[in-house]
Amino acid sequence: DIQMTQSPRSLSASVGDRVTITCRANQNIKSHLNWYQQKSGKAPELLIYAASGLPSWVPSRFSGSGSGTDFTLTITSLQPEDFATYYCQQAYSTAPYTFGPGTKVEIK
Amino acid sequence: EVQLVESGGGLVQPGGSLRLSCTASGFTFNTYRMKWVRQAPGKGLECIASIGTSLFTEHYADSVKGRFTVSRDNAKNSAYLQMNSLTAEDSAVYYCVREVEMWQQDYFYYMDLWGKGTTVTVSS
Repeated sequence: DIQMTQSPRSLSASVGDRVTITCRANQNIKSHLNWYQQKSGKAPELLIYAASGLPSWVPSRFSGSGSGTDFTLTITSLQPEDFATYYCQQAYSTAPYTFGPGTKVEIK
Repeated sequence: EVQLVESGGGLVQPGGSLRLSCTASGFTFNTYRMKWVRQAPGKGLECIASIGTSLFTEHYADSVKGRFTVSRDNAKNSAYLQMNSLTAEDSAVYYCVREVEMWQQDYFYYMDLWGKGTTVTVSS
């Protein structure tokens, strides 16, 4: 089974900060990696698809990169509405797919 | 409006059964693979079941295999999750999710539409 890890598991940051979250797979998943944002009490929402694809409704301050086993989600200038938990998810192996454990971004 | 609406959650005793429903609107339901993702209180996301479009191919996480069954009725724009032999570990919010298949030199899959979720509590 493909296992996903994320680091850090939580972080505190200020509005305007640059934030980077890392996701790692235990085997090569090429670019089959998605990112989701979940705000407290809400359903998750798609943030990045295929490692670096940005849905039309997602602000350009979000970006994704990586391939193989190591991936990164970057928020260039953190906004108040970005405080949430972020999950990576591999979509390489046979469905259903596995998520990372999540990274909680909190206000500093 | 493009949306997914789950129903059927509630309180059930250990060993009991429950059937969740997901009603889709605003898009061509029969062209999308559908999934169920759950989240236990204070925990992360777990993708537990998936059903394909025309061949209705099913996939399950090991944690629910043999106990849960996913199905769909394209005529009713609906997906279902039959849950049997429930335990406390199955208590969670259950989300119905639409999956997109995209061709970009390879097939890529991602979940672009989520319902608000329905809560299942397994307790005596």
